Amino acid sequence: GENVEQHPSTLSVQEGDSAVIKCTYSDSASNYFPWYKQELGKGPQLIIDIRSNVGEKKDQRIAVTLNKTAKHFSLHITETQPEDSAVYFCAASFKAAGNKLTFGGGTRVLVKP
Amino acid sequence: GAVVSQHPSWVICKSGTSVKIECRSLDFQATTMFWYRQFPKQSLMLMATSNEGSKATYEQGVEKDKFLINHASLTLSTLTVTSAHPEDSSFYICSASGPLNTEAFFGQGTRLTVV
Repeated sequence: GENVEQHPSTLSVQEGDSAVIKCTYSDSASNYFPWYKQELGKGPQLIIDIRSNVGEKKDQRIAVTLNKTAKHFSLHITETQPEDSAVYFCAASFKAAGNKLTFGGGTRVLVKP
Repeated sequence: GAVVSQHPSWVICKSGTSVKIECRSLDFQATTMFWYRQFPKQSLMLMATSNEGSKATYEQGVEKDKFLINHASLTLSTLTVTSAHPEDSSFYICSASGPLNTEAFFGQGTRLTVV
């Protein structure tokens, strides 16, 4: 089955700096890669996703890049703000597998004012 | 995005009792719903996948007789933790996806505490 590795497990950045989280996946059949933000005591919230036919996607301060050959994808947050502090999860899935998501281990991001 | 409502948000129950958690898709038809379990400071672990009108598919190591899943309609799935024990205390999260989209939308989660 699919295996997703996520690094780093914790990330502390100064407000205004950029944050980068990296994930690798094992199953070359995976074709959908979402990123979720989870705040304490809440369910994950989709913040951005990318499909395997695209190499990069951007939404305001958030961007995701995908390297299919190397089987890794990254989340980039620019101009970080204290409200970006949360746990971020990457995931991978293959639609024919019923959209079953395999999650990375999570990254706890702390943005220091 | 689409809205998935999970209820209750938290519940405390006594050992040996059963607890039911509901997951509703409010503005789309959820052909597939997923149930996850999350321990503190850990990732989400998939427990089972349910498709409307059919039996749930459980992940390896998840007891189907203990975690009963029902997906009787396109907008509602329930997870019942039967004969709960303290080790079942956890954060349970559902997600739902429709037939045409790949995105999975998550509920708010349910904090279960068994005392």
